[in-house]
Amino acid sequence: IAGITQAPTSQILAAGRRMTLRCTQDMRHNAMYWYRQDLGLGLRLIHYSNTAGTTGKGEVPDGYSVSRANTDDFPLTLASAVPSQTSVYFCASSTLAGNTGELFFGEGSRLTVL
Amino acid sequence: QQQVKQSPQSLIVQKGGISIINCAYENTAFDYFPWYQQFPGKGPALLIAIRPDVSEKKEGRFTISFNKSAKQFSLHIMDSQPGDSATYFCAAGYFGNEKLTFGTGTRLTIIP
Repeated sequence: IAGITQAPTSQILAAGRRMTLRCTQDMRHNAMYWYRQDLGLGLRLIHYSNTAGTTGKGEVPDGYSVSRANTDDFPLTLASAVPSQTSVYFCASSTLAGNTGELFFGEGSRLTVL
Repeated sequence: QQQVKQSPQSLIVQKGGISIINCAYENTAFDYFPWYQQFPGKGPALLIAIRPDVSEKKEGRFTISFNKSAKQFSLHIMDSQPGDSATYFCAAGYFGNEKLTFGTGTRLTIIP
């Protein structure tokens, strides 16, 4: 079982370019999330989706968009990348069953915007 | 506004010692307090979690202590081992709603 798969693992991007980070899960979890991790700031929620067809804004949504066309995929798009979006991005999922509250994370996508 | 404050930012502990990481939260409605462990190049993984109806939870060498009145909780790692070297994040949220608010992280190094 792969769990959460993120792609690309690492990317260098010119400012102003469009970029989509891919996230796929094989656990049939209802909910999916995108976090960004920055030194000294911890993990901050960008967007989330409680179920296919619905999305919501997290703590730092500006400059990012998401879609949830099906249960397994939750891509994150930067329409016009800026240097402040240089970060490590983590996709996560959970069952939302109320039993454990556990988030399962992917291994991250390191994005550098020049 | 940082709703979950974590300290210290980094910590060095000798092998066999006790590692202690502290967190404080502001929102009294939070009812779920997990700790996540992250190794370099990997995503965070749930280590241990506590609900506010108990003051302590122990799993092996890892213990969470919870003080509801002070709005504080801490992670204690007993008999710390080099394999415990990692970044630790505390978090707070609402049980069953996994939009967690994370602390800023503590980089723990266990030296021989």
